[in-house]
Amino acid sequence: EAQVTQNPRYLITVTGKKLTVTCSQNMNHEYMSWYRQDPGLGLRQIYYSMNVEVTDKGDVPEGYKVSRKEKRNFPLILESPSPNQTSLYFCATSFASGGTDTQYFGPGTRLTVL
Amino acid sequence: QKEVEQNSGPLSVPEGAIASLNCTYSDRGSQSFFWYRQYSGKSPELIMFIYSNGDKEDGRFTAQLNKASQYVSLLIRDSQPSDSATYLCAVTSASKIIFGSGTRLSIRP
Repeated sequence: EAQVTQNPRYLITVTGKKLTVTCSQNMNHEYMSWYRQDPGLGLRQIYYSMNVEVTDKGDVPEGYKVSRKEKRNFPLILESPSPNQTSLYFCATSFASGGTDTQYFGPGTRLTVL
Repeated sequence: QKEVEQNSGPLSVPEGAIASLNCTYSDRGSQSFFWYRQYSGKSPELIMFIYSNGDKEDGRFTAQLNKASQYVSLLIRDSQPSDSATYLCAVTSASKIIFGSGTRLSIRP
């Protein structure tokens, strides 16, 4: 079954404690990206990757890091989380390397930073 | 001006009626347009995409695109309670895809 998986699905943590949210896809898609979704602000892109070892900033990259060492995985790293990073996070993939076609979303990770 | 604008709603429509959702965008060079449905607490899922001016129909859903006026709309015929969700418009712009903040649709019995 074609899917995008994220782990963990729910996470409560404290300010400053480094965390990683994993994203994995089995569709051999070139393009992967991370979004955060906040009430009234919609989906905002954090980082994206057009291919292995190629990553770039989206609209709200501050406080986040990513890596793309393998095609199937695109982890999101928060080195020192702060309360303003409390949000719902989605990983998404797309067949086209430019990401301008259909986005397939993971189930989401709800993060709370205390 | 936001790049992709949608009325946040809520839009309340009686069951069986037509729901009309609208989206405007600012980049005249946009080529691809998408509608996603998102149930509360769930991930967005694609309903339709449209690339050319005019109408595109898929079951109860019709997407309409007018590039000259820079708007795209989604019509849902014979609205069902299961259509109650937030609908996100997405537009490609300069090799990026940009989402609107969504319109919340409520279908009342």
